[in-house]
Amino acid sequence: VMTQSPATLAVSPGERATLSCRASESVSSKLAWYQQKPGQAPRLLIYDASTGETGVPARFSGSGSGTEFTLTISSLQSEDCAVYYCQQYKNWPLTFGPGTKVDIK
Amino acid sequence: VQLQESGPGLVKPSETLSLTCTVSGASVGSGSYFWSWVRQPPGKGLEWIGHIYYSGRTNYNPSLKSRVTMSIDSSKNQFSLSLSSVTAADSAVYYCARLVTIFQAVKLDYWGQGTLVTVSP
Repeated sequence: VMTQSPATLAVSPGERATLSCRASESVSSKLAWYQQKPGQAPRLLIYDASTGETGVPARFSGSGSGTEFTLTISSLQSEDCAVYYCQQYKNWPLTFGPGTKVDIK
Repeated sequence: VQLQESGPGLVKPSETLSLTCTVSGASVGSGSYFWSWVRQPPGKGLEWIGHIYYSGRTNYNPSLKSRVTMSIDSSKNQFSLSLSSVTAADSAVYYCARLVTIFQAVKLDYWGQGTLVTVSP
């Protein structure tokens, strides 16, 4: 089971946003982060816990292993308002966390 | 790479939901990818339904396995989802997506825009 915190996060433009994801059992580094904007499909940001997908801005970074993971947006931009989901692929079925909604303060 | 879902937007309870995903820019007959379905009830999170390989080999979410069938048609570059005995709980936006495995990483790297399916009498 994947959990995420906080459920909602409001950050001022240019400030850092830190999102957390926890797995109920170790998933090693087999974790991805997705961004979903309203009315759009999810977009892959990070895989293997810390590897950025091609084309993803450098302000997005991931860290962690085992059961604790973090997605950091180093300097929040208005276009980063979205829901962010973590997803494990250590075991089948693939499972997603409930998401963290990021808003502009 | 582009994926596009198609199918009825309204399905009656107890009937079968059927969707097709048409792929362009990549071949569903390639052994390099798996072809997946993910759904999202309105206002809720994401649920992986399963995937199919070019050979027809499938991997389904156990929570839906008894009701799910996936198929693939390389000649049309399409793959399909059938979900039987639907209830209101199956109302969701259904996405098709390409799944790629690279050095043990599993990535859903391209997604369709999604199609809303409502289960209602």
